[in-house]
Amino acid sequence: AQKVTQAQTEISVVEKEDVTLDCVYETRDTTYYLFWYKQPPSGELVFLIRRNSFDEQNEISGRYSWNFQKSTSSFNFTITASQVVDSAVYFCALKSNSGYALNFGKGTSLLVTP
Amino acid sequence: GAGVSQSPRYKVAKRGQDVALRCDPISGHVSLFWYQQALGQGPEFLTYFQNEAQLDKSGLPSDRFFAERPEGSVSTLKIQRTQQEDSAVYLCASSLARQDYGYTFGSGTRLTVV
Repeated sequence: AQKVTQAQTEISVVEKEDVTLDCVYETRDTTYYLFWYKQPPSGELVFLIRRNSFDEQNEISGRYSWNFQKSTSSFNFTITASQVVDSAVYFCALKSNSGYALNFGKGTSLLVTP
Repeated sequence: GAGVSQSPRYKVAKRGQDVALRCDPISGHVSLFWYQQALGQGPEFLTYFQNEAQLDKSGLPSDRFFAERPEGSVSTLKIQRTQQEDSAVYLCASSLARQDYGYTFGSGTRLTVV
């Protein structure tokens, strides 16, 4: 069985603060993929990153960075110098190599205030 | 089109009514997915199409839910005899190929059953 846990339901920060969104996953598969999506109030899911289970390199894209640690089954997402436009619900998701479905966590609602 | 288009954007149905939700994927995309997102939850997988073939319908919650993609492009999700627990946002996603995990999501249809 596959499971994604996002323990933080809501986070509120002041603009320019750094914030880390936690994601812990469970799977018995050796090959799998991890994703982060952003869901702004408009409702569509916006793809942020995909990482496969064999690539543990951390990644940085502008103000966004991701820390993948297989030893702790975690795939955390950090926003540096947060901005109001970062306010959204963020979802972590897991997909096995053999299946079709993305298994999403319950999401973390991030509010960035000026 | 440029993105995944879903219609209607909002639908209010009386309990017991049948509804049909439409998804127009990105032109040429082979894979098409339907997800159900209840309020405050992450999206949950409903079904997957590869072209016109429905390869996985394990997530459909009951036999009142039916999906089709007869010509391998537009897809329709039909819900018969709607019930209040069917109230949710229904998201459609498409991707270019079977092994392409760059899913593009639509903005969803918000279904409210009263």
